[in-house]
Amino acid sequence: DVKVTQSSRYLVKRTGEKVFLECVQDMDHENMFWYRQDPGLGLRLIYFSYDVKMKEKGDIPEGYSVSREKKERFSLILESASTNQTSMYLCASSYQRGVYNQPQHFGDGTRLSIL
Amino acid sequence: GEDVEQSLFLSVREGDSSVINCTYTDSSSTYLYWYKQEPGAGLQLLTYIFSNMDMKQDQRLTVLLNKKDKHLSLRIADTQTGDSAIYFCAEILNAGNMLTFGGGTRLMVKP
Repeated sequence: DVKVTQSSRYLVKRTGEKVFLECVQDMDHENMFWYRQDPGLGLRLIYFSYDVKMKEKGDIPEGYSVSREKKERFSLILESASTNQTSMYLCASSYQRGVYNQPQHFGDGTRLSIL
Repeated sequence: GEDVEQSLFLSVREGDSSVINCTYTDSSSTYLYWYKQEPGAGLQLLTYIFSNMDMKQDQRLTVLLNKKDKHLSLRIADTQTGDSAIYFCAEILNAGNMLTFGGGTRLMVKP
């Protein structure tokens, strides 16, 4: 089974802190994704990566950055956390076969609160 | 542009069938997915269908795809209380990397 592991289920940080959310997958997937999920807004893509050191902006990249130094690990960084970044953050990964992408598999999510 | 829509809420009795509907606007979808999210958890991939298929069955789950109407449905037979969750449909476009999600349908199963 595919395993996508997010380092924390719950996290509380203060405004202005630099926050790292870590995600690791064990299936040698090329693609990795970070979403945030908010009531009434559904899932929104923040960033994704299709290879080591490669990244692409999603729908809402502002206030975030990412790092993919190793294939199995994709980090989401809040450079200076703000209260409007309080949310549920979901990481996903997928295998790319040719021009078609396989289903995305999700981690359990990190509920981040910024005080 | 891409848009995926679902109804917000569905309530059924235990043992009945549930049908969750989804409409999408982009005809270049390659794959269409159904995910399940239980409270406080991530998204669990339930099933998916390739856009050249009309139907896919997997145990209690049946996915129907009407490409002409751009309508996707998920039928859960013999719905159980453990099926109570939010169900998301999602599409991925040709050779794309990004999923577009619907807003999710909350399924409530009454005993």
